[in-house]
Amino acid sequence: DSGVTQTPKHLITATGQRVTLRCSPRSGDLSVYWYQQSLDQGLQFLIQYYNGEERAKGNILERFSAQQFPDLHSELNLSSLELGDSALYFCASSVGQEVDEQFFGPGTRLTVL
Amino acid sequence: GENVEQHPSTLSVQEGDSAVIKCTYSDSASNYFPWYKQELGKRPQLIIDIRSNVGEKKDQRIAVTLNKTAKHFSLHITETQPEDSAVYFCAASRVRTGGFKTIFGAGTRLFVKA
Repeated sequence: DSGVTQTPKHLITATGQRVTLRCSPRSGDLSVYWYQQSLDQGLQFLIQYYNGEERAKGNILERFSAQQFPDLHSELNLSSLELGDSALYFCASSVGQEVDEQFFGPGTRLTVL
Repeated sequence: GENVEQHPSTLSVQEGDSAVIKCTYSDSASNYFPWYKQELGKRPQLIIDIRSNVGEKKDQRIAVTLNKTAKHFSLHITETQPEDSAVYFCAASRVRTGGFKTIFGAGTRLFVKA
């Protein structure tokens, strides 16, 4: 157990819908990262937050948005869902904003029908 | 753009043999290179990492080497065991505008045959 929690574990929804994925970082970690892993694919970096502020952005679609709250938990919002958005979404956390080990959560498996 | 190439995509070895996975990165400013192991249906877990000021690092049966000039780094697993079977991802990170962006390789599926 990495200490990073993600909810829900599974999510099934329809095209065009909007969902919110939630992540709680390890105690003491200020940075949160979101990744997308499609079937048999690598990890695509989406976005990083540090202490409530966006710090780095990857290949995140405009339909996706994220935020980190004062209690440091983070939410990833996915809207106007398409079939291709079906994937495993991982959240990771690290202590600071500098390069360091990231601890991954168990992931949320999103299925868009 | 920034990318990390990882080879091979699949690797099958006999138990007790060594396994080597190689990665090449494009961003010369990258300064942190972690390796993650992901078992089926589970989260990626860090197994070893190396920073740009170090050329080699070893932890028991696992070692990583870094050649900054060639922008190339490798994972070496010796005396492989069936429980080493998993997907291994390399990654390259650098600090960028107050945060850092981690680019992952596509992964190597390692099979260790008993």
